[in-house]
Amino acid sequence: EDQVTQSPEALRLQEGESSSLNCSYTVSGLRGLFWYRQDPGKGPEFLFTLYSAGEEKEKERLKATLTKKESFLHITAPKPEDSATYLCAVPFSGGYNKLIFGAGTRLAVHP
Amino acid sequence: GAGVSQSPSNKVTEKGKDVELRCDPISGHTALYWYRQSLGQGLEFLIYFQGNSAPDKSGLPSDRFSAERTGGSVSTLTIQRTQQEDSAVYLCASSSSGTSYGYTFGSGTRLTVV
Repeated sequence: EDQVTQSPEALRLQEGESSSLNCSYTVSGLRGLFWYRQDPGKGPEFLFTLYSAGEEKEKERLKATLTKKESFLHITAPKPEDSATYLCAVPFSGGYNKLIFGAGTRLAVHP
Repeated sequence: GAGVSQSPSNKVTEKGKDVELRCDPISGHTALYWYRQSLGQGLEFLIYFQGNSAPDKSGLPSDRFSAERTGGSVSTLTIQRTQQEDSAVYLCASSSSGTSYGYTFGSGTRLTVV
């Protein structure tokens, strides 16, 4: 069964305290892994797509990495404005254009 | 338009009533998706439209749910005889060919069934 699991459910950091979020997945034949950011009351905002193990993508203080079983979103020296829910998603095994999402990690960065 | 537009942003309805939720995708995006997000849950796939192809309805939870997309653009999600468990945020997204560039989501419609 296709499944995406994110951990931790919630994470509280002090400003400047680096950490990582985890996304593990079970699908047949990975065709991409997607990271999104969601702010309260808004729809998810696309961040990255990763396609193959070893691939890395960076955007400001965020860096996403991919292995054969999981992805990490590394947050370096976070700021309060990085507070949001981070979602990862992969295409369903049988449907390239349909994404299955994890439940997300709620990140709070305090000054 | 510049983004995906959804209306209404909030809807409160009585149990048993029908509701219609509207999505106006980004111009030129051929793919349109509806997802549902319940409190504390991940996004649940509902339905997917791609161009003029038959929609993928495999995620619709019951026959009370239906959706259409007119002229390859605006989409309407209809929920008949609403139940309290239908309360959620309904998100619409659109994308250009495939999902290589990620979906662009609207801000959603928060549906509350009382």
